[in-house]
Parts: sequence; structure tokens; C-alpha cells
Amino acid sequence: GAGVSQSPSNKVTEKGKDVELRCDPISGHTALYWYRQRLGQGLEFLIYFQGNSAPDKSGLPSDRFSAERTGESVSTLTIQRTQQEDSAVYLCASSQLPSSYNEQFFGPGTRLTVL
Amino acid sequence: QKEVEQDPGPLSVPEGAIVSLNCTYSNSAFQYFMWYRQYSRKGPELLMYTYSSGNKEDGRFTAQVDKSSKYISLFIRDSQPSDSATYLCAMRGMRFGAGTRLTVKP
Repeated sequence: GAGVSQSPSNKVTEKGKDVELRCDPISGHTALYWYRQRLGQGLEFLIYFQGNSAPDKSGLPSDRFSAERTGESVSTLTIQRTQQEDSAVYLCASSQLPSSYNEQFFGPGTRLTVL
Repeated sequence: QKEVEQDPGPLSVPEGAIVSLNCTYSNSAFQYFMWYRQYSRKGPELLMYTYSSGNKEDGRFTAQVDKSSKYISLFIRDSQPSDSATYLCAMRGMRFGAGTRLTVKP
């Protein structure tokens, strides 16, 4: 079946503009995660959605970052007034169960460049 | 102090070498320990996971957990050029290490 897909694959924007990144999780996966990966760095957790529960937003770095998820499907990560330090790969992952061990399936990421 | 610490490397070894990758962690409540592999310009993929302490073997890969020391390891035997990737440890689902970039040279 189809894996996690993300769009766009690449996004170049000017400082101060808003961007929207999209994630389509694997069908039936109740949990969805967003991460940021700066060049040569590990994964920085941003936000986690699980079913209809309130999302865990503890990783969002500032109020310029927000995310939504419609039910158990598509999620959108929005970055307002982008800054150069927002340049990174934004990875989305989904998993079937929200347990401590839950294999996350990652999308290919969106590479964001802020000029 | 970060919850999960991992030496980012890079690490370069000749083909056939034994590779040891390590992470330390601070939260003694962690029970599940995962290793993900990430090829260049791809998303990470789960390689192995272990629960609590002990060893787990899968082919050329062995994952080891020492909860008393809060230390986990991934060993790769007979390393191959196709093992060249970044290896990330992860705990409690969302806590990832920085990733160690490994290059295996033919």
C-alpha cells in the first residue's frame, strides 16, 4: 500500500512569507508526528496528533508554528513569517498505535529553504 | 542535558569492519529503545527495537540495552557499503538522538 506522502518535496520562500506543508499519513494510522531536521542534525520533535485527543504541541519552537489534522487523515504544518533559521527538512510520520513502542513510518520530507 | 545523547560522528570504516553505535539517555522510565536508519534524502526507517535490558539480534545487527548505565548500542557485523547511512536511536517514540553518520568504504 501507499506510504506516507508529503508535499511539496521542496519549497523555497522568502523571509517573512508564510508556508504550508502537507502530510498524507498511511490510511488507518491514528497517530501522526511532525519533526524538523536541520542539516546534519537529528530529529527535533514538533507536534503529535492522536485520534481526537488534544495534540501534543510541546515541541513547537514558537507561536509562528502551528499544525492541524482533519480527523485521522491529512495534516498541515504552517509556518508564519518564516525566518532563515526555519530552513530544514520537515518530516512527517504516522503510526498505527500510540504506544511507547510504535513503529513510525516516515514520509520523504519537505525541504524548506528560506532566503 | 538532552534526554537522548548520540555522537553525531561522522564515522568511517572499511568494509567488513564491526561498527559500534551508541546512545545514552537520562530518563530511567524509558522501556522501549529503537534504532532507525536514514539514507540520504530519505525518511528514517525502523531497523530494530528492544524492550527493557538485554540483547536482540537480527542478521548482522545486534541491539544492546544496559538500563543500569542508561546506555544503548547497535553493533553491525561484517559492515557493507550499503550500510552507509545515518543511524538514529529513539526512545518513547518521539525522543531521537542526533544520529550518527556512518560511511562504509569498499
